[in-house]
Amino acid sequence: QVQLVQSGAEVKKPGSSVKVSCKASGGTFNNYAISWVRQAPGQGLEWMGGIIPIFGTPHYAQKFQGRVTITTDESTSTAYLELSSLRSEDTAMYFCAREISSSWFDFWGQGTLVTVSS
Amino acid sequence: QSALTQPASVSGSPGQSITISCTGTSSDVGGYNFVSWYQQHPGKAPKLMIYDVSNRSSGVSNRFSGSKSGNTASLTISGLQAEDEADYYCSSYTGSSTLYVFGTGTKVTVL
Repeated sequence: QVQLVQSGAEVKKPGSSVKVSCKASGGTFNNYAISWVRQAPGQGLEWMGGIIPIFGTPHYAQKFQGRVTITTDESTSTAYLELSSLRSEDTAMYFCAREISSSWFDFWGQGTLVTVSS
Repeated sequence: QSALTQPASVSGSPGQSITISCTGTSSDVGGYNFVSWYQQHPGKAPKLMIYDVSNRSSGVSNRFSGSKSGNTASLTISGLQAEDEADYYCSSYTGSSTLYVFGTGTKVTVL
């Protein structure tokens, strides 16, 4: 069974950066894309970007271009999301998810709460 | 890329059927058969229910079914049960730089 385990909650100051990790187990990490999806409090889901580890080329949502960096470490089967120039509106739960066939997300991490506050 | 439009809430009595709509454009829902549906209980991660418009994910009850017509996809829950009370989100591949768009979300209440 595939499992995605994310790093713990973070509290950050406005203008700083945050890096969230997502460690995969139980599957072939390199062959599937990993996407990052966020959910602001009481709001809906929002796709931020994704990457296929074996290719290493990330794709980013237009909204986050220039502020987001998605990387992977194949040696540890871990994906990372880094978001810079944080503002209060970035306060949200951040999920990683395994992406299948450019179509659906079948396994999700438990989520990482990022709080941006002065 | 704008979010797909879903009704904010849908309710039904136990045993009834309800349908949640998900309206997009020809650039997303109408352009690809890559629509999926997710169930999310409070404080939990989303759970895949339906993929590629109408395929049930492994272990999902056959009370859940999906369909699509034009730019609108739909999720139907038949034989509504108390455990179905949750938020539901649709998603579609877009083929643009923003590869995926989610729906606005629908809160399902079992009366």
